[in-house]
Amino acid sequence: DVVMTQSPLSLPVTLGQPASISCRSSQSLVHSDGNTYLNWFQQRPGLSPRRLIYKVSDRDSGVPDRFSGSGSGTAFTLRISRVEAEDVGIYYCMQGTHWPVTFGGGTKVEIK
Amino acid sequence: EVHLLESGGDLVQPGGSLRLSCAASGFNFIKYAMSWVRQAPGRGLEWVSDISETGGDTYYADSVKGRFTISRDNSKSALFLQMNSLRGEDTAVYYCVRGIVGAFWGQGTLVTVSS
Repeated sequence: DVVMTQSPLSLPVTLGQPASISCRSSQSLVHSDGNTYLNWFQQRPGLSPRRLIYKVSDRDSGVPDRFSGSGSGTAFTLRISRVEAEDVGIYYCMQGTHWPVTFGGGTKVEIK
Repeated sequence: EVHLLESGGDLVQPGGSLRLSCAASGFNFIKYAMSWVRQAPGRGLEWVSDISETGGDTYYADSVKGRFTISRDNSKSALFLQMNSLRGEDTAVYYCVRGIVGAFWGQGTLVTVSS
């Protein structure tokens, strides 16, 4: 199975400041169809996960543009340009290129 | 509006069985594969199983293969997960998800396996 490794595990951030989460995969996530199926999910406390980003950098409907995704191959990044209080929660990367789907262990974003 | 509502979670003894259901609405159910993803208390996300649009293809995580069965009733826009031979490590919130772990998730249903 593809191992997804996120860092850091915990990310204390100041309101209004940027934040960045790294996700690395144990093998390339480029699919034979040319797409890279790397998604990012946000899970706010007590709520279900919500997809923010799909195929590395495409934002889901309703997701604020302060969230952006980038990367290629085996290295990916989720960036929050200016952290707001509602961004507190756990963020997961997930790969859908190789069977089975696998998730990163999560990064907890909290306000300093 | 897409809506997924899970039900069927409960406290069950080790070795017992449970059937989870997911009622889907707000989209054309037959056009989408569907998934189950679980989250043990205080832990991360784990894909459990998924099923093709017609139900003809099903896939399982190694941890549940041979014990869990995914199915769907397209006439009722419903997804199911039959869980047999339950173990303590199956304790989790189980989420119904549209697509192969896509954008839309239900609120989850809690399964607790304990004596």
